[in-house]
Amino acid sequence: AQTIHQWPVAEIKAVGSPLSLGCTIKGKSSPNLYWYWQATGGTLQQLFYSITVGQVESVVQLNLSASRPKDDQFILSTEKLLLSHSGFYLCAWSLGTGGRDTQYFGPGTRLLVL
Amino acid sequence: QQNVQQSPESLIVPEGARTSLNCTFSDSASQYFWWYRQHSGKAPKALMSIFSNGEKEEGRFTIHLNKASLHFSLHIRDSQPSDSALYLCAVRNMGYKLTFGTGTSLLVDP
Repeated sequence: AQTIHQWPVAEIKAVGSPLSLGCTIKGKSSPNLYWYWQATGGTLQQLFYSITVGQVESVVQLNLSASRPKDDQFILSTEKLLLSHSGFYLCAWSLGTGGRDTQYFGPGTRLLVL
Repeated sequence: QQNVQQSPESLIVPEGARTSLNCTFSDSASQYFWWYRQHSGKAPKALMSIFSNGEKEEGRFTIHLNKASLHFSLHIRDSQPSDSALYLCAVRNMGYKLTFGTGTSLLVDP
């Protein structure tokens, strides 16, 4: 069975500090991977997706970047956090060519920027 | 730019009631549709999907899709307190971009 793990579970960071969030998925070969952001009380917004190692597509510009260094790993980062980066970050995976494939979410990372 | 709106924004229903949630989308080229449920503090979980006009039923849940009206809905029969959650609809054309709706917060009162 596939498992998706996100780290850390939660972070409190200062404005202007760097950030790195991680996601690993086990049990699936060559998954499509996604990063989402959900502001408190807000809707879910897709940030990035990756269909293969080393390739990442940006969907929304939020002063964040993403990388996929391994088939089962997806990293979200920024060099300088803003207050507006606070929220719930979710990694998701799917299998397929992007049409009918359902996306499944990891447990998420809660980020508070002060 | 896809715009996905949900109504109502929030809803309180008694246990055992039938609940209806609505989702409208703006892009007529949309092809694939999902409902997700998110319990408080948790990640969203996919409930159901539909890819062609009509109706699809799974247990207490039914989806209706009308692409011409740019509308789809989720109906919950015999609502339970465990159904209390944020319900998110999601829409995709082709490719990998999935656009979520604004959400409906459902509270089922026991």
